[in-house]
Amino acid sequence: SYELTQPLSVSVALGQTARITCGGNNIGSKNVHWYQQKPGQAPVLVIYRDSNRPSGIPERFSGSNSGNTATLTISRAQAGDEADYYCQVWDSSTLVFGGGTKLTVL
Amino acid sequence: QVQLQESGPGLVKPSQTLSLTCTVSGGSISSGGYYWSWIRQHPGKGLEWIGYIYYSGSTYYNPSLKSRVTISVDTSKNQFSLKLSSVTAADTAVYYCARETIQLRYFDYWGQGTLVTVSS
Repeated sequence: SYELTQPLSVSVALGQTARITCGGNNIGSKNVHWYQQKPGQAPVLVIYRDSNRPSGIPERFSGSNSGNTATLTISRAQAGDEADYYCQVWDSSTLVFGGGTKLTVL
Repeated sequence: QVQLQESGPGLVKPSQTLSLTCTVSGGSISSGGYYWSWIRQHPGKGLEWIGYIYYSGSTYYNPSLKSRVTISVDTSKNQFSLKLSSVTAADTAVYYCARETIQLRYFDYWGQGTLVTVSS
């Protein structure tokens, strides 16, 4: 079965750039979506199809996808960006989530 | 603005069947273009996709849960439902319903989630 690998945690200084990776075999050939989940809340879509932002998501959030790694980039990180982030793809008719990355803003 | 709301018992006994309903407002399940999905999250863990249904009634399930899962739809009530049979403590989780776009296969709307505990 297809697996997505995310780092358990990423730390970033306030105002700096955070990068959260999502690794998978030839993930560059798939559409990758990213969700933000704050404690006690449902996930929220922040990036769809690799690099597209839904309405209402700040431009500080961006994404890329190539080869075996997709990356969610959060520029000028704010305290409110502290959350868990999950990547998601479809593979062989099965939906797969990454294990999630906890972003800490220092 | 589409809204989804889960409802159902918060406590289920082992070996019984977990039953949840998701009520959709602000849009019609029958409008097409979307799959209506269930996703769960074990306490302190990541997200696990359970399955989806189309308004026509066609379904698709996570192979790891397929033998125990049934998802159904009631278009007249704008609701869809989840049944998970033979539950154990390992099924204790927050259960979310969500709308998935058919074209690009991402979840654009989620319910707030409901905690279901399996315990005697």
